[in-house]
Amino acid sequence: EAGVAQSPRYKIIEKRQSVAFWCNPISGHATLYWYQQILGQGPKLLIQFQNNGVVDDSQLPKDRFSAERLKGVDSTLKIQPAKLEDSAVYLCASSPQGQPNTEAFFGQGTRLTVV
Amino acid sequence: TQLLEQSPQFLSIQEGENLTVYCNSSSVFSSLQWYRQEPGEGPVLLVTVVTGGEVKKLKRLTFQFGDARKDSSLHITAAQPGDTGLYLCAGRYSGNTPLVFGKGTRLSVIA
Repeated sequence: EAGVAQSPRYKIIEKRQSVAFWCNPISGHATLYWYQQILGQGPKLLIQFQNNGVVDDSQLPKDRFSAERLKGVDSTLKIQPAKLEDSAVYLCASSPQGQPNTEAFFGQGTRLTVV
Repeated sequence: TQLLEQSPQFLSIQEGENLTVYCNSSSVFSSLQWYRQEPGEGPVLLVTVVTGGEVKKLKRLTFQFGDARKDSSLHITAAQPGDTGLYLCAGRYSGNTPLVFGKGTRLSVIA
């Protein structure tokens, strides 16, 4: 079974530029998460989707971050404009629907460096 | 405010030693999970505990969920260099809410 796919693996941009990350979850997984992991810290939730609807985006900095999950499958996360403090690994994870306390399957992440 | 506090933050030990990592919170969780993350990779699930007082064993790793479901511990017996990595605890307030992660414990096992 294919895992969660993310691209690109690495991205370096200048501050105030825009960037987009892509995630393809495990086939059939209805729940999709985007997490931000700053160096030396644990992952912090940015947004949770259930199919193509947003369940929780309370920690998403909406003035610069946006995310969508069209057709309830792939998802993109965008930052516009980027700030230096956005340098982090952006992790996408997915889970099956309807199973409480289930495992979150993570992709390898996209490492973003803002200079 | 960090909802899940992990300690220690860093741990460097010799091969063959035992160690315990702690995960504490003032909040009650419906379940707690432990993940291990290696450099350049996403976290990978080790175990899920859902019942207060529950103990689970995975080879040399022993996981315990506190009676009040506010804390957990991970004990590794006879650590090996392959155990090196970032150990993350993560909790859910209810069955389908997103995982809340601690900052992690970075373990280094020296041969």
